[in-house]
This record gives sequence, C-alpha cells and structure tokens, in this order.
Amino acid sequence: DAGVTQSPTHLIKTRGQQVTLRCSPISGHKSVSWYQQVLGQGPQFIFQYYEKEERGRGNFPDRFSARQFPNYSSELNVNALLLGDSALYLCASSFGGNTEAFFGQGTRLTVV
Amino acid sequence: GESVGLHLPTLSVQEGDNSIINCAYSNSASDYFIWYKQESGKGPQFIIDIRSNMDKRQGQRVTVLLNKTVKHLSLQIAATQPGDSAVYFCAENSGTALIFGKGTTLSVSS
Repeated sequence: DAGVTQSPTHLIKTRGQQVTLRCSPISGHKSVSWYQQVLGQGPQFIFQYYEKEERGRGNFPDRFSARQFPNYSSELNVNALLLGDSALYLCASSFGGNTEAFFGQGTRLTVV
Repeated sequence: GESVGLHLPTLSVQEGDNSIINCAYSNSASDYFIWYKQESGKGPQFIIDIRSNMDKRQGQRVTVLLNKTVKHLSLQIAATQPGDSAVYFCAENSGTALIFGKGTTLSVSS
C-alpha cells in the first residue's frame, strides 16, 4: 500500500516568490493536515482539511493557504516567500481528525 | 497556551539496553497521544498511540505508559538497537491538530 506521498521532495525559491506543495493521502483517508518543521523543532500545525473543508488553522499568516480536492489530495500554497519560510513541510493523512495520523516524507523548501 | 514537552533533549544508551523517553503535557483535557520517530531527512513515523481510557499500551518492543494524574507519558523501548537512533516526539491529538513537543534525540551505540 502506498503511504502519504508529497511532491516535490526539494525546492529552492527566491524571496517574494510563490510556492505550491502537493500531498496525496493514504487510500481511504479523508483528512489531510499540513505542518511546518524548522530545524531542531517539532512540527507546527498549519491546516487541517476533512472532506474538502478546512477544519483547523494554526497560527500562520494569510500568506499560507491550502485546499483539498475531491480525491482528497491537497495543496499548500505560500505566497510572498520569506527567508523564514525555509523549512520541512509535512503532510499527514488520517481517516478522521481524531485517529492515527501518518506523515509523508516532506518537502524541503529553501528560500534564498 | 497548552503544550506538550519532553523532559530531556538527548538520551544516549548502549545497544541492548532498555530506553525510556518521557513527555509531560499540560492540558488535563487531552485524551489522545501519539509517539513518533523521526530519522534524519524523513517525515515522522507513527510508533504507537494511547487514549486516556488506558494506562498502558504495548507494541512490538515498545510500551507507552500514561499517567493522567501527573499528566505524564513515557515511551519504553526494549532491547534498543542502533536502528532506533532518531528523534522521538510525543504529540497530543486535539482532534484538529497534533501538538508536538521539541523531541528527544536517542543515540544508540554498539
């Protein structure tokens, strides 16, 4: 069975640019969440989507947005990139909000 | 705000020893916790979870203990192996978000 897949695996962007990260959940999972992990820290919650609707939002600026598609895959968009947005962006999928959550390998974003 | 934290940032053990990684949480209403293992350059890997109606749960070579009285949980790894070397996080599942602590780096020497 395929796990959570994220693309791309690595990305380098320039300050001010926009980026789109993609995530495909485990088959049968309807919830996708996004996390940002900076070096040396635990992942920080950005968004949760369930059945294509936003169910939760973390303490991130409006430059961050996301959506979930009918096939339950998801995209995370970040506009007007800052150097501080450099991090590992993780996607987690679960059947529901309060069930086991499984992570993908992440997208390493570097902003220069 | 509510948070989940770990007692020690690093833990070094010998191969074959048992390891214990601790975690304290502050939200007494928390009812679902997950332990993750994260190797360098990879995403967190689900290890084991526990809900508040349980005090103990066992998996393969791992045991999680939950003490709701003192808001503490621990991950015990039996017969630690070099492949267990990683950063371990406990996370509180609020139903909407996972709230992670900073992690404990486990180093296993042979």
